[in-house]
Amino acid sequence: NAGVTQTPKFRILKIGQSMTLQCAQDMNHNYMYWYRQDPGMGLKLIYYSVGAGITDKGEVPNGYNVSRSTTEDFPLRLELAAPSQTSVYFCASSTRGDGTEAFFGQGTRLTVV
Amino acid sequence: AQSVTQLDSHVSVSEGTPVLLRCNYSSSYSPSLFWYVQHPNKGLQLLLKYTSAATLVKGINGFEAEFKKSETSFHLTKPSAHMSDAAEYFCVVSKAAGNKLTFGGGTRVLVKP
Repeated sequence: NAGVTQTPKFRILKIGQSMTLQCAQDMNHNYMYWYRQDPGMGLKLIYYSVGAGITDKGEVPNGYNVSRSTTEDFPLRLELAAPSQTSVYFCASSTRGDGTEAFFGQGTRLTVV
Repeated sequence: AQSVTQLDSHVSVSEGTPVLLRCNYSSSYSPSLFWYVQHPNKGLQLLLKYTSAATLVKGINGFEAEFKKSETSFHLTKPSAHMSDAAEYFCVVSKAAGNKLTFGGGTRVLVKP
C-alpha cells in the first residue's frame, strides 16, 4: 500500500523556470491538499481539492496552480519560480472533510536559485 | 477563523523523563484536534486525534493528550521519553468543512541520553 507518493524528492530550479510537483494517492480519498513548510513556520495550505474537477485556494496560493482531473492525482505547478518558493512541499489526502486523519507524502525539497 | 499556538519552539528532555508539549487553539466551533510527528527528512505521521469523544486521547508510542475546552488547550504528554522521540511535533486544528488543517509552528524535541 503506497499511500501518498510525491515526486521528485529534491529539485533545484533557476529563477523563472517552471516545474510540476507530482502527487498521487491510492487510497481513493476525495480530499487532497498541498502544503508548504518553511523553517519554524509550520505548514501552510497552498491549494486543496474536495474531488476530481474541484479545486480551491488555501492561505498562500500566489505563484502556484493545481488541477485535479482524476481522484488519484493532484499535481502542483510553479510557472515562474522565485526564491520565495524555496521550501519543502507536502501533499496530503483524506477521506472526507470532518476532521478525519490526513495522510502525508514524504515531501519535495525545492530550492530556487 | 481558527489558529493554533505551540508555546515552545524547542523542548529538551533527558531520556526516561516526562515530555510535555503545549498547544493552545482558537476556534469558533467545536474543533477536531490532532498531533502529528515529523522525524528528520520524513513526512508527517499522526500521533493522535480528538474528535469530541473522550477528552483524554491516547495515541501511538505512549503519547497522550488532554482536550480542555475551558483552557482551549490540547497538550501532548509522554511519561518517559525515548531517544526515538526526537522529532518535530505539530499541533493541528481542523475545520470541518473542507477539512482544512491549520498547523501550529511546531515544537522540536531533543532527547538527551
